[in-house]
Amino acid sequence: EVQLVESGGNLVQPGGSLRLSCAASGFTFSGFWMSWVRQPPGKGLEWVANIKQDGSEKYYVDSVKGRFTISRDNAQNSLYLQMTNVRPEDTALYYCARGIWFGELIDYWGHGSLVTVSS
Amino acid sequence: QLVLTQSPSTSASLGASVRLTCTLSGGHSSSAIAWHQQQPERGLRYLMKVNSDGSHVKGDEIPDRFSGSSSGTDRYLTISSLQSEDEADYYCQAWGTGFQGVFGGGTKLTVL
Repeated sequence: EVQLVESGGNLVQPGGSLRLSCAASGFTFSGFWMSWVRQPPGKGLEWVANIKQDGSEKYYVDSVKGRFTISRDNAQNSLYLQMTNVRPEDTALYYCARGIWFGELIDYWGHGSLVTVSS
Repeated sequence: QLVLTQSPSTSASLGASVRLTCTLSGGHSSSAIAWHQQQPERGLRYLMKVNSDGSHVKGDEIPDRFSGSSSGTDRYLTISSLQSEDEADYYCQAWGTGFQGVFGGGTKLTVL
């Protein structure tokens, strides 16, 4: 059974930093693109970033470029999102997700980790 | 820039059928999309990939009541024999220009 478990969400002040983690199990982690998607409270889904199987390609939504970094450790079956210089509009539930079709689409989701940016 | 447009809400009666639409902005009539379901308190679930030719590939354990189709820049999700647990938010997803993913705004389905 595919499982994606996020952790690391917390309350952080504007301008601060936070690292989210995602522990993957039930599939060959190194064989799949992985993504982060977020959902602000009461709003819809927003794609954030994705990363290729070997980490050689990474893509980001414009609003986080230069502030967020996606990475992975295939030996640990783990995905990460390093968030720096966070803003109130980054407040959201952050989902880890597995990619299919060359990473363009998603076929499995985690349950999310809440990040709140507030002073 | 690819934009996916969905109606904000719709409703249908228990046991009836409903078709949800995701419209791709101009020039993207060949793009495939994915449909996802978000049930209250149950999280997100991938339903299927719908190709531009109307073919679709469903996720694990998705009931036969769920099907996909296409017409031009429209991608459809049809749910037949509606059940109360189908009441949820439904999102379409695609890969946009500029190497970025994109989601539609979501459709809230109410089962009457």
